[in-house]
Amino acid sequence: GEKVEQHQSTLSVREGDSAVINCTYTDTASSYFPWYKQEAGKSLHFVIDIRSNVDRKQSQRLTVLLDKKAKRFSLHITATQPEDSAIYFCAAGYQGGRALIFGTGTTVSVSP
Amino acid sequence: NSKVIQTPRYLVKGQGQKAKMRCIPEKGHPVVFWYQQNKNNEFKFLINFQNQEVLQQIDMTEKRFSAECPSNSPCSLEIQSSEAGDSALYLCASSPGTGANTEVFFGKGTRLTVV
Repeated sequence: GEKVEQHQSTLSVREGDSAVINCTYTDTASSYFPWYKQEAGKSLHFVIDIRSNVDRKQSQRLTVLLDKKAKRFSLHITATQPEDSAIYFCAAGYQGGRALIFGTGTTVSVSP
Repeated sequence: NSKVIQTPRYLVKGQGQKAKMRCIPEKGHPVVFWYQQNKNNEFKFLINFQNQEVLQQIDMTEKRFSAECPSNSPCSLEIQSSEAGDSALYLCASSPGTGANTEVFFGKGTRLTVV
């Protein structure tokens, strides 16, 4: 079955710098790649997603890149702020109500 | 903000006891998922439904859990005989389902502690 690897367990950046989180997946049939943010003691909050028919999607300070050939996708956060500090999870799945497979999370710490 | 409602937020059970948690999906979302998140932040998919029908489930769920999503009632997930290893955050999520818009929204979770 699908496996999603999230390669950095922690990432520390200074406020205003960019943060990049990388994930890889194994199943070429995966077509949907969402990102979630989880703050301490809270649930998962949907951040942004990308579908396999595009290779880039941007929403304000967030950009997701998808490289289907390398089976790799990444989340780029520009102009980081302290409130960006959280655990970020990538996931992969199929469209249409099938289960998502999650990475193990990257703890992003933004320091002033 | 997600409108998936999970109850209770916290649940403490002894080993061997039943543990039941409930989920009201976002209105209009026919697909419901249950995941288990352990203390290492690892997610395990448990089961999902489309309307009242099971779409997928793992072996553990089939053997040790009881889950349903009746019409006009909350969905539920029940561990028949709790074990220490079941201590985790149980997350319910819902989705509009098929088609282009397949965002999945999560509730706040039920944190189960088995003592």
